[in-house]
Amino acid sequence: ILNVEQSPQSLHVQEGDSTNFTCSFPSSNFYALHWYRWETAKSPEALFVMTLNGDEKKKGRISATLNTKEGYSYLYIKGSQPEDSATYLCAFWNSGGSNYKLTFGKGTLLTVNP
Amino acid sequence: NAGVTQTPKFRVLKTGQSMTLLCAQDMNHEYMYWYRQDPGMGLRLIHYSVGEGTTAKGEVPDGYNVSRLKKQNFLLGLESAAPSQTSVYFCASSYGFLSPLENQPQHFGDGTRLSIL
Repeated sequence: ILNVEQSPQSLHVQEGDSTNFTCSFPSSNFYALHWYRWETAKSPEALFVMTLNGDEKKKGRISATLNTKEGYSYLYIKGSQPEDSATYLCAFWNSGGSNYKLTFGKGTLLTVNP
Repeated sequence: NAGVTQTPKFRVLKTGQSMTLLCAQDMNHEYMYWYRQDPGMGLRLIHYSVGEGTTAKGEVPDGYNVSRLKKQNFLLGLESAAPSQTSVYFCASSYGFLSPLENQPQHFGDGTRLSIL
């Protein structure tokens, strides 16, 4: 069973704060790491798909980094806004026996207070 | 281009009743998935399919059956609904492993909220 851990479980920040959270995954048989943003009562939407060690991706105020050798990825949000409030999911795609599916972490719930 | 469409959006069942949830995608994706979302549990994979006519078990397959008779459709069946199956169900689809577009994300439907009384 592949283990994908996200920390913290939840986070409250003030509008304008910058924040980051972590996704840890197995460092062997790495194939890809996905980040999704999931607003309440909606469906998850993709933010990034990362495949290379050292990859950095950016979309507006949100960016992510990837370290496949040590098995972690960071998601950063600069200048958080209330509309950033959501659960952020990471998911690991491995190249081993279970390469047909993503293994999701349980997510980090971000609440941005105005 | 509708993406991933789930039917129905809401349903209330009595214990022991059966029903089928339909997922349809128009992106020519090879892989399709059914997840359930429960508080504190994140997304858990029920069943998945890597192509027309194929299905496989995920983490929590008990009490569910699936079929993929056509590439664009993936059906999730509950033969005898139980209160423990009260959940929000999400369907997703993606390109396959080793396909030219494999590094694309999964696309999710809007979810089906199912209550079993």
